[in-house]
Amino acid sequence: RKEVEQDPGPFNVPEGATVAFNCTYSNSASQSFFWYRQDCRKEPKLLMSVYSSGNEDGRFTAQLNRASQYISLLIRDSKLSDSATYLCVVKTGTASKLTFGTGTRLQVTL
Amino acid sequence: DGGITQSPKYLFRKEGQNVTLSCEQNLNHDAMYWYRQDPGQGLRLIYYSQIVNDFQKGDIAEGYSVSREKKESFPLTVTSAQKNPTAFYLCASSMQPGLPQHFGDGTRLSIL
Repeated sequence: RKEVEQDPGPFNVPEGATVAFNCTYSNSASQSFFWYRQDCRKEPKLLMSVYSSGNEDGRFTAQLNRASQYISLLIRDSKLSDSATYLCVVKTGTASKLTFGTGTRLQVTL
Repeated sequence: DGGITQSPKYLFRKEGQNVTLSCEQNLNHDAMYWYRQDPGQGLRLIYYSQIVNDFQKGDIAEGYSVSREKKESFPLTVTSAQKNPTAFYLCASSMQPGLPQHFGDGTRLSIL
């Protein structure tokens, strides 16, 4: 089983829609969680960290479910500019490294 | 402006040749990382360094080498032992190991 798994998509949604992505992780000792956004042929950029109590940043809401070992990203009122690949990232234990999922591709259309 | 600079943006390697990818940061970050990204795959960690003069192998270190002689610089050499080097190479840094990482804009390496 992969350490971090994501549905590759693509998720095709109309502008204004609400869309949610899930990401599962295999190691119950995982401590920190992040969502990154990667545009086509560009570098990943940090979108938001995911806190235990859930957190919101504008139209974006991230949640963590430790019991089921998944994190989610909800995007409300989707914009064309939200079209990108969203990477789930997990830090486990005392490891210095982060583990990246393969990403979920979102395509927002008119 | 603070950031991470990778060069070159595009690089072509001949068979049997070693090539070096540059990564420089002026964020005063202690930790630096090299990743490789292939189509349809996630980022895979090649090497990382938590502090100057120290570095550790990642998940796919074979065929690669690094050095960390200065805090600001973490060059990656793709050696001739790396049989499938064509990929998008990303350098990243973070204030401390395990914290969110900031990425350079990458180097695309291709085989001639």
